[in-house]
Amino acid sequence: DADVTQTPRNRITKTGKRIMLECSQTKGHDRMYWYRQDPGLGLRLIYYSFDVKDINKGEISDGYSVSRQAQAKFSLSLESAIPNQTALYFCATGGRGANVLTFGAGSRLTVL
Amino acid sequence: RKEVEQDPGPFNVPEGATVAFNCTYSNSASQSFFWYRQDCRKEPKLLMSVYSSGNEDGRFTAQLNRASQYISLLIRDSKLSDSATYLCVVNGYNDYKLSFGAGTTVTVRA
Repeated sequence: DADVTQTPRNRITKTGKRIMLECSQTKGHDRMYWYRQDPGLGLRLIYYSFDVKDINKGEISDGYSVSRQAQAKFSLSLESAIPNQTALYFCATGGRGANVLTFGAGSRLTVL
Repeated sequence: RKEVEQDPGPFNVPEGATVAFNCTYSNSASQSFFWYRQDCRKEPKLLMSVYSSGNEDGRFTAQLNRASQYISLLIRDSKLSDSATYLCVVNGYNDYKLSFGAGTTVTVRA
C-alpha cells in the first residue's frame, strides 16, 4: 500500500456540487498539506495542518475547507464546486523537523 | 513576483548530453532548497536536496548561489528515463511551507 493514499483518483462533477477529497497516510507524519496543480502554475498550497488541532490557510484557500479527522487523515472539501476548481489535487505529508514532503498519487477533479 | 521562478523549457536533448537549468527565488531568508522530479500526471518525488556547498548524486549536480538567489540542476550523460518535469522547491527559515516553481520540462531523445 502507498504511504499516502488519496481518494478518489478521478472525479467529474457539476457546478454547485459538494465534493470531498480524502487523504490518509501511514508514515506517522504530523504535517499534512493540500496542494492544487494547474498547468504552468506549479503547485499552490490550499491548506496545511501541523497536527490534529492545527489548521492553517494556504495561499488559495477561498472556496475550500479541510478537516483533520486524525493524525493520519486530512480531507479537503469543495462546498460548491465551480469550473475553475478543475485541477489536479495533491495531498502531502511531512515529518517533524524535516522539509521533505511525500505526496499522494493525486486526485484529478473536473468540474463541468 | 512569484516566489520561485523557473524556465519552463522544454529542454530537448539527445541521450548522453548534458543539460542544466536554473531556478530563482525571491525570499532571501530561504534556508532549504530542493529539486523534485515529476513524471507526467504523477506525484512529485524528491530528487535531491541542495546544500550550500553544492552536492552531487550520481549524474545529478545541484548548486546554490545565495548572492544571486538561484539554484541550479545539471544532469550529465542524460538517459531517456530522465525525461520529466523538474520542480524547484524553496522554503523559509523555520517555515514548513514549501514554495514550488512551475517546473522545467526535460525531454531526452534517443
